[in-house]
Amino acid sequence: DGGITQSPKYLFRKEGQNVTLSCEQNLNHDAMYWYRQDPGQGLRLIYYSQIVNDFQKGDIAEGYSVSREKKESFPLTVTSAQKNPTAFYLCASNTVWDESNYGYTFGSGTRLTVV
Amino acid sequence: RKEVEQDPGPFNVPEGATVAFNCTYSNSASQSFFWYRQDCRKEPKLLMSVYSSGNEDGRFTAQLNRASQYISLLIRDSKLSDSATYLCVVNRENSGTYKYIFGTGTRLKVLA
Repeated sequence: DGGITQSPKYLFRKEGQNVTLSCEQNLNHDAMYWYRQDPGQGLRLIYYSQIVNDFQKGDIAEGYSVSREKKESFPLTVTSAQKNPTAFYLCASNTVWDESNYGYTFGSGTRLTVV
Repeated sequence: RKEVEQDPGPFNVPEGATVAFNCTYSNSASQSFFWYRQDCRKEPKLLMSVYSSGNEDGRFTAQLNRASQYISLLIRDSKLSDSATYLCVVNRENSGTYKYIFGTGTRLKVLA
């Protein structure tokens, strides 16, 4: 079945440590996105990528980095520069960047906690 | 003021009731609209797109009012399984690309 797979489901990070969240899709979608969700807040866009080897900063990119070496994969690294990384991280994709009638498909999320 | 605003709720309704949520958006350039459902500690899932003429999917009806800049979701004959958070999502052009803006969600509890 096609879908988006995020791993791990739960991740614990020590202070000062970089961690990488995986996102893989087999939907043949062009565009991929990373969002962060905090309690009582809407989803906030971290980074997005429309095509391979290209990505753009979202609204809250500081302390994060991404790569898009393959169409199927869009990993997110949470660096030690991100001061408040504890959150629920969601990866999403859709098939056409500039077609406004298509919604997203989301992965099941990674819950990151700083210990 | 947030670009997309929703009443956070919770809306507590008995089984079988009809409940409606509104969502207002501030940017008149917004082009497409969606309702997503999010269960506790899970990812959002697309419930339905919202079309200008209004649209219905079983017990769910979505409507768009561009003049007043709001969308609505009506749920008829509420089921216990409808308990969730409902996210309003607006898509608009931003410097030549499209951007999805998420509301913070309205929480619904359907009570037995």
